[in-house]
Amino acid sequence: RKEVEQDPGPFNVPEGATVAFNCTYSNSASQSFFWYRQDCRKEPKLLMSVYSSGNEDGRFTAQLNRASQYISLLIRDSKLSDSATYLCVVSPNYGGSQGNLIFGKGTKLSVKP
Amino acid sequence: NAGVMQNPRHLVRRRGQEARLRCSPMKGHSHVYWYRQLPEEGLKFMVYLQKENIIDESGMPKERFSAEFPKEGPSILRIQQVVRGDSAAYFCASSPFRQGIAYEQYFGPGTRLTVT
Repeated sequence: RKEVEQDPGPFNVPEGATVAFNCTYSNSASQSFFWYRQDCRKEPKLLMSVYSSGNEDGRFTAQLNRASQYISLLIRDSKLSDSATYLCVVSPNYGGSQGNLIFGKGTKLSVKP
Repeated sequence: NAGVMQNPRHLVRRRGQEARLRCSPMKGHSHVYWYRQLPEEGLKFMVYLQKENIIDESGMPKERFSAEFPKEGPSILRIQQVVRGDSAAYFCASSPFRQGIAYEQYFGPGTRLTVT
């Protein structure tokens, strides 16, 4: 089983649509969770951290279910500029103990006019 | 406030040559991470360094690869005797030192290595 699994997509949606990405992780000891986005041939950029209570940033909402080892990202009112690959990222480390990030292969989103 | 800087952005090497990739972290960041992204693959962790200290090199291939982060100057990822399979995008990330709070890593633009 892969450490972090995502549906590769692509997800093709019209502008204004709501789209949801899902991710599962295998290590129950994982402590930190993130969503990054990566544009074609560019570096990953941090979109948001994911907290157990769930968190929202504008049109983006992230949820974490530790019992199911499941992370989600919801994008509302999608824009053309949201087209990118969305990376689910997990770390076994928390707080002062820092270390490597474990990336999923990403889910590709294409928003059409 | 400049972000993470990497150079060169593109590097072409013939098989058997050496590749040196450089990374300067964001101002105020003391931790550096190197990742590799093979074509159509996800990013894979390679090594984690602080100044003059390798913290975790569990993702580094056993041979030909080395990394350093000297007291002065950028972090360097060195690949000796490159082979075609080393062709990939190499990303550097940096983070500040914090305690008790989940950290974030910020990525540089990457170096695209092509081995011919």
